[in-house]
Amino acid sequence: QQPVQSPQAVILREGEDAVINCSSSKALYSVHWYRQKHGEAPVFLMILLKGGEQKGHDKISASFNEKKQQSSLYLTASQLSYSGTYFCGTELGHGSSNTGKLIFGQGTTLQVKP
Amino acid sequence: NAGVTQTPKFQVLKTGQSMTLQCAQDMNHEYMSWYRQDPGMGLRLIHYSVGAGITDQGEVPNGYNVSRSTTEDFPLRLLSAAPSQTSVYFCASRGQEHTGELFFGEGSRLTVL
Repeated sequence: QQPVQSPQAVILREGEDAVINCSSSKALYSVHWYRQKHGEAPVFLMILLKGGEQKGHDKISASFNEKKQQSSLYLTASQLSYSGTYFCGTELGHGSSNTGKLIFGQGTTLQVKP
Repeated sequence: NAGVTQTPKFQVLKTGQSMTLQCAQDMNHEYMSWYRQDPGMGLRLIHYSVGAGITDQGEVPNGYNVSRSTTEDFPLRLLSAAPSQTSVYFCASRGQEHTGELFFGEGSRLTVL
């Protein structure tokens, strides 16, 4: 039931782009994305509800393909501050509503070098 | 607003001891949850609650008890601690009829010897 993230780790130079993928074996109600810095709590990036929407703010965006049960997080023109571990969280649906059970993937470690 | 407050931040226990991790939120969120985080394992859901008096199991509930007598508080109890429960524990809450973002506490680092 735990979503699968790929890749497990990414090393970038400043200004480069990255894509982090998240896939589930079950139909999803929503997908969350969070970033966690070492020693800190996870911080919310965005949530995508079923409907195949795409969201973004600044140079970070995400897509959600409901049929494929997949979501991708896009980081463009990466900055040093983007370093951290990225987690996708998936929530299953129950009819037209959500179950309330938000399960996270194992994380993708992103390191941005100068 | 304080947001989500967890106590204690650090705790060392001996095997077999019991303890309670406290979690309180002041955002009037109905949904609250507990996760544990271990290296390479991501965040794993222990228990969650969609409102006062309602709790449900997550992915790894064994060895943990919860109760939700008020909207604000969601304590996590370890009745007989084991070394396998050494971890960082995060409490989180969410509003917007359970579809909003998760607000996390700062975490509690527990070591069981």
